[in-house]
Amino acid sequence: QLQLQESGPGLVKSSETLSLTCTVSGGSISSSSYYWGWIRQPPGKGLEWIGNVFYSGNIYYNQSLKSRVTISVDMSKNQFSLEVSSVTAADTAVYYCARWGNWNGDRWGQGTLVTVSS
Amino acid sequence: EIVLTQSPATLSLSPGERATLSCRASQSVSSYLAWYQQKPGQAPRLLIFNTSNRATGIPARFSGSGSGTDFTLTISSLEPEDFAVYYCQQRSNWPPSLTFGGGTKVEIK
Repeated sequence: QLQLQESGPGLVKSSETLSLTCTVSGGSISSSSYYWGWIRQPPGKGLEWIGNVFYSGNIYYNQSLKSRVTISVDMSKNQFSLEVSSVTAADTAVYYCARWGNWNGDRWGQGTLVTVSS
Repeated sequence: EIVLTQSPATLSLSPGERATLSCRASQSVSSYLAWYQQKPGQAPRLLIFNTSNRATGIPARFSGSGSGTDFTLTISSLEPEDFAVYYCQQRSNWPPSLTFGGGTKVEIK
């Protein structure tokens, strides 16, 4: 059974860089059938797509976040990662990692809350 | 960027009733429209992909329809576990991207 698990600091200071890792178990991140990606959800609000990565290195970002976001993949560890630079309070959210088959999110991690403090 | 508008924002219904949720796109999304269910404290769960295909393990009371810019998620007879927030999502081919609608909350009347 494929599982995804987010990990990283739950508290980040304003203007610093938020870094999260998603560990995939029960399946290989190098599958040619799937993209892997990040989505966030501010408290009490809706879902926002951040970006997707393919194991070969193709990466697609939400244009509104592209200047501050980096997504990478580490096949040796079966992980992919997210960095968001110059964070503000508006970046406070639950961050989810997910598997995307034909750009449908068919497996999700449980999510991790990241709070940006001043 | 394609904008998805969901209506109504909140739907108040009783168990056993039929729920009809709408998702309207600002331009055609072909058939690349998916629906997710999210319960409090949980990650979203894929219900429907490509407009009308149920994801693995999704009960037959959930169905999707539509084309172009207007899409509908129907729950034929609400079960207690169906009270949740529902999101639609579309994919754009180039550049590849995803957007979500703002959500519809289905609450117990």
